[in-house]
Amino acid sequence: AQSVTQLDSQVPVFEEAPVELRCNYSSSVSVYLFWYVQYPNQGLQLLLKYLSGSTLVKGINGFEAEFNKSQTSFHLRKPSVHISDTAEYFCAVSSSYKLIFGSGTRLLVRP
Amino acid sequence: NAGVTQTPKFRVLKTGQSMTLLCAQDMNHEYMYWYRQDPGMGLRLIHYSVGEGTTAKGEVPDGYNVSRLKKQNFLLGLESAAPSQTSVYFCASSYIAGEISNEQFFGPGTRLTVL
Repeated sequence: AQSVTQLDSQVPVFEEAPVELRCNYSSSVSVYLFWYVQYPNQGLQLLLKYLSGSTLVKGINGFEAEFNKSQTSFHLRKPSVHISDTAEYFCAVSSSYKLIFGSGTRLLVRP
Repeated sequence: NAGVTQTPKFRVLKTGQSMTLLCAQDMNHEYMYWYRQDPGMGLRLIHYSVGEGTTAKGEVPDGYNVSRLKKQNFLLGLESAAPSQTSVYFCASSYIAGEISNEQFFGPGTRLTVL
């Protein structure tokens, strides 16, 4: 069965600093990978997705992620964060009819 | 195009009461899902449906029932609410024929408190 591990439950960072949120998944023949963001008191919205092709995927709000098959990782990065990026971020892998979600990483951006 | 909508947004129940949460989507998606979100536990799948008239159990189905009588609607029922069902409930939908991934679109959530 597929699984997703987000190693960091919370990542504090100062405004304008770079950030990386880590995600590892269990291997499979082919994977479709996603990052979702949840702002306070809202639902989840898609940041970016990897289906095939280039391993570097660009998403909304300046985020990008790199698919690394050998490391079974799909880490999320942003070169310079804003206060408004404070949110919870979920990594997910597609498995048959479902998405398997990680436990989430809370990004806390401080001024 | 409203996407995925959920009714109600908030609800407070007493132990033993029943209620139904309604999810509606206008994207002609085949698949629909109900999740619950609790602090530190991420999203857990309660039930899902791969088409009108079908339902299946997810990770945490006990205490809940669902129905998908129409393609655009997915109902989540609590027959006898318990304090352990205090949570935020999210509905999601996905998949149009020919799509290769399973990108899910989420509703805004229902915050349920059981006293």
